[in-house]
Amino acid sequence: AQTVTQSQPEMSVQEAETVTLSCTYDTSESNYYLFWYKQPPSRQMILVIRQEAYKQQNATENRFSVNFQKAAKSFSLKISDSQLGDTAMYFCAFIYSGGSNYKLTFGKGTLLTVNP
Amino acid sequence: NAGVTQTPKFQVLKTGQSMTLQCAQDMNHEYMSWYRQDPGMGLRLIHYSVGAGITDQGEVPNGYNVSRSTTEDFPLRLLSAAPSQTSVYFCASSYSNLAGVTAGELFFGEGSRLTVL
Repeated sequence: AQTVTQSQPEMSVQEAETVTLSCTYDTSESNYYLFWYKQPPSRQMILVIRQEAYKQQNATENRFSVNFQKAAKSFSLKISDSQLGDTAMYFCAFIYSGGSNYKLTFGKGTLLTVNP
Repeated sequence: NAGVTQTPKFQVLKTGQSMTLQCAQDMNHEYMSWYRQDPGMGLRLIHYSVGAGITDQGEVPNGYNVSRSTTEDFPLRLLSAAPSQTSVYFCASSYSNLAGVTAGELFFGEGSRLTVL
């Protein structure tokens, strides 16, 4: 079974600075997807970024980028130019891409606070 | 565009009572699921469905029942509520196989906060 570990329960950053959230995972599979989801105080879950394991290039979405290290099974999220609206719980998630797979595995989350 | 709609948003139950959390989506998604979110535990999958008439268990299915009679609706039933079921519940849907073209893009409802006394 896959496991996803987020070792930082809480983090804080000053507005306009850069912050990196860590995520490691454990799997014996070679083909999979990794994701970061954001949950602001409104509780609405939002997909931030997606990485396919077979792609060496790190995914980027505006101010959000990832550092995907497949051999180390590491998948960190970098938020540049942090904004107050980035304050949220962030979840790392994994899914195996082979066959019919319907189970997305989430980490326990990192609460990020952006301070003015 | 309604997306995924959950009702009720808040509910207080007494131990032993039963209730149903409703979930409806208007995106013609084949895949629907229920998660519970507890502090320090992340989101854990309760049950999921890959189409009308098809359901399967997730990570924490005990104490919950589901059915999928239509593509749009996926209700979650608590037959005899227990304090351990106090949680925030999320319904989420997606187009089909989560590892397909739209991999991982789950569409979530706004959550239902359930308290069992």
